[in-house]
Amino acid sequence: DAGVIQSPRHEVTEMGQEVTLRCKPISGHNSLFWYRQTMMRGLELLIYFNNNVPIDDSGMPEDRFSAKMPNASFSTLKIQPSEPRDSAVYFCASSLRQENSPLHFGNGTRLTVT
Amino acid sequence: SQELEQSPQSLIVQEGKNLTINCTSSKTLYGLYWYKQKYGEGLIFLMMLQKGGEEKSHEKITAKLDEKKQQSSLHITASQPSHAGIYLCGADRTGNTGKLIFGQGTTLQVKP
Repeated sequence: DAGVIQSPRHEVTEMGQEVTLRCKPISGHNSLFWYRQTMMRGLELLIYFNNNVPIDDSGMPEDRFSAKMPNASFSTLKIQPSEPRDSAVYFCASSLRQENSPLHFGNGTRLTVT
Repeated sequence: SQELEQSPQSLIVQEGKNLTINCTSSKTLYGLYWYKQKYGEGLIFLMMLQKGGEEKSHEKITAKLDEKKQQSSLHITASQPSHAGIYLCGADRTGNTGKLIFGQGTTLQVKP
């Protein structure tokens, strides 16, 4: 199994630009999660989907952030416009939506906004 | 998340020594997950505990859950440099969503 695949691995952009992060979950998994990790706040859940439907987006910091899951094998997290405080590592994780099923994480996208 | 407190925040041990990392929850736990993260990489699942008193082992790493205290401990026996990394505990609050909140992590260094 290829695991959760995220792209790009690194993204450097200027303030005000649009940023799109991509995620391919593990085949067969029906839950997908977007997390953000920073030194100050640790690992925070931004949004999660079940069967491609957004269930809880209460962790999305602002309207500048949006996430989509058009099908079971692809999700995007978009930031528009980006700001320096958005700099962080963004992780995507997937799981089977059942009790005791662990999350499987991708290697993350390190975003730097200058 | 302050709902999950890990201690210590960081740890430096000599190779071969034993160590323990703790994770305490301020709310009811439906499941407690331990992950390991190396710098620049994603989180690797280690083990999951659900029932009070449950204990699981993987190689030289053992985790226990004290449901009454809402606390879990991760114990590494005879530490090796390969054990170095960040250990995070994650808690399932709902029991059926798979949504996890995480502690701040414990950074472990093992000196050869």
